[in-house]
Amino acid sequence: AQKVTQAQTEISVVEKEDVTLDCVYETRDTTYYLFWYKQPPSGELVFLIRRNSFDEQNEISGRYSWNFQKSTSSFNFTITASQVVDSAVYFCALSEAQGNAGNMLTFGGGTRLMVKP
Amino acid sequence: KAGVTQTPRYLIKTRGQQVTLSCSPISGHRSVSWYQQTPGQGLQFLFEYFSETQRNKGNFPGRFSGRQFSNSRSEMNVSTLELGDSALYLCASNLGGGGPSTYEQYFGPGTRLTVT
Repeated sequence: AQKVTQAQTEISVVEKEDVTLDCVYETRDTTYYLFWYKQPPSGELVFLIRRNSFDEQNEISGRYSWNFQKSTSSFNFTITASQVVDSAVYFCALSEAQGNAGNMLTFGGGTRLMVKP
Repeated sequence: KAGVTQTPRYLIKTRGQQVTLSCSPISGHRSVSWYQQTPGQGLQFLFEYFSETQRNKGNFPGRFSGRQFSNSRSEMNVSTLELGDSALYLCASNLGGGGPSTYEQYFGPGTRLTVT
């Protein structure tokens, strides 16, 4: 069975600080996909990134960066120079690749990030 | 391109009643999935529909059911509502094929159901 753990339930930082959100996953599959979603107070889950299990390259998108390490089954997310608008709940998720058999996301418990001005 | 839309956005029902929630996917997306979000259990997968067929199912009782229409729109039904069914119900759509990009699910704003 697959499992995603986000050990940090809540993080509070001051604007312009860097912050890293941790994600550890478990799966028996060799092919899988990892995701990060952002959930602002409005409730809608906003897709941030997809990473497949064969691509361990780190990725940077503006102030966001992701560190995927298969050796430790981790997929951590760093926000550089945080802003108040980054305040939200962030979810890490895992999907085992089932091809045409479909897909379902297993979510971690989420990390609530509060960025104070 | 319009995003995933869900109706209604808010709903209040009484224990024992039934409820139907609706989801319209992004144009061209053939897969629709439903998730339940509660403070206690977090985000949990309910089921996925593709080409009008249920393709995957989570661990929920039979009171939770769904269907998908030929235009890919989906409905979710909960019968005999219980207090514990109070939750945010999120619908997600994706292309539905087998390629890597099809695993990207795009979520709607959700329907917040309150059972009293």
